[in-house]
Amino acid sequence: ETGVTQSPTHLIKTRGQQVTLRCSSQSGHNTVSWYQQALGQGPQFIFQYYREEENGRGNFPPRFSGLQFPNYSSELNVNALELDDSALYLCASSSGQGAPYEQYFGPGTRLTVT
Amino acid sequence: QKEVEQDPGPLSVPEGAIVSLNCTYSNSAFQYFMWYRQYSRKGPELLMYTYSSGNKEDGRFTAQVDKSSKYISLFIRDSQPSDSATYLCAMVSSRSSGDKLTFGTGTRLAVRP
Repeated sequence: ETGVTQSPTHLIKTRGQQVTLRCSSQSGHNTVSWYQQALGQGPQFIFQYYREEENGRGNFPPRFSGLQFPNYSSELNVNALELDDSALYLCASSSGQGAPYEQYFGPGTRLTVT
Repeated sequence: QKEVEQDPGPLSVPEGAIVSLNCTYSNSAFQYFMWYRQYSRKGPELLMYTYSSGNKEDGRFTAQVDKSSKYISLFIRDSQPSDSATYLCAMVSSRSSGDKLTFGTGTRLAVRP
């Protein structure tokens, strides 16, 4: 059983640019959630995708958008990058029918905006 | 006021000590309570979960929930240097759309050999 994988590991972008982060969910999981973790903070919920539809969104502006594909992998897109977007971006996958604690996190993508 | 408050530490203890990590919360709709461990440059790893008041034990770890006081704790017995990590409490509301986890800020723990 493969775990949750994310790519790339690290990324450096300039303010105003756009970025796409990718997540492959754990085998058998159809739900992916994205979180932003700023340095020294806990992860903040961005949104969740269940069977290719957005299923819940946190307090993030529309320039944060996502996609989920038929194989349940997912992308997080951020437009018009700001310095405050520098953070570790985590995705978590789950079966969609299990208990809420049954979410498994990937290693994250560290984004630096200069 | 944040929904979940957690002392950021850092906490430094000698090997073998008992560690107590705590979170308080304000949202009475929180139904599930989890503790995650996060090593440097890694994603969070689920340690324990519970959904009722009382204690739950798993090896050296005990999770405690007091819903009346809106207070949760994680105790680590016989702490080891390998326990050095950031510990995050997380909660899920029965009213949230999607399984949105609300995290505390995390407590950084260092166990000295």
